[in-house]
Amino acid sequence: GAGVSQTPSNKVTEKGKYVELRCDPISGHTALYWYRQSLGQGPEFLIYFQGTGAADDSGLPNDRFFAVRPEGSVSTLKIQRTERGDSAVYLCASSPDRSYNEQFFGPGTRLTVL
Amino acid sequence: KQEVTQIPAALSVPEGENLVLNCSFTDSAIYNLQWFRQDPGKGLTSLLLIQSSQREQTSGRLNASLDKSSGRSTLYIAASQPGDSATYLCAVRDHTDKLIFGTGTRLQVFP
Repeated sequence: GAGVSQTPSNKVTEKGKYVELRCDPISGHTALYWYRQSLGQGPEFLIYFQGTGAADDSGLPNDRFFAVRPEGSVSTLKIQRTERGDSAVYLCASSPDRSYNEQFFGPGTRLTVL
Repeated sequence: KQEVTQIPAALSVPEGENLVLNCSFTDSAIYNLQWFRQDPGKGLTSLLLIQSSQREQTSGRLNASLDKSSGRSTLYIAASQPGDSATYLCAVRDHTDKLIFGTGTRLQVFP
């Protein structure tokens, strides 16, 4: 079956602009995670959804970052007033449920803020 | 706070060598440990997952071990091939369900 998909694959924007990044998890997976990977670093946790609700948003760096998952499937990560330091690869992962061991990752969205 | 460290940061070897990649973590209270492969510009591919109660997992030429009490895991790659060239990441899952990653080992296998 289809894996986790993310769109767009690349996004270039100007400082101060608003961006939305989309994640389509594997069908039927109730747990969804967002991570951010800066150049030369490992991914860092941002937020985790169980169903429609954000179960843990402790990794969001500040209030410019927000994520939603209104119907418990597709999720959108929203970044307001982008800054150059937001440039990174944003990775999404899904899992059948929170007790399942493995997270399945999408290809990521490379965000560049000029 | 859990911290994950990977050594070495980079490794370049000739084809055919057996390799050991190291991962260490500071808090032994983990649920599992996972090794991933990441090709340039790509997402993460899961290689092996070791439960906290297990000592090792094997898949083909890959073998991962876990010593939870000492906070260490190793990924052993037998008979390396140029196609193994990639960045290898280890990650631990804690009680909060999120994964905490190391910074990775960048491996290059040359013919």
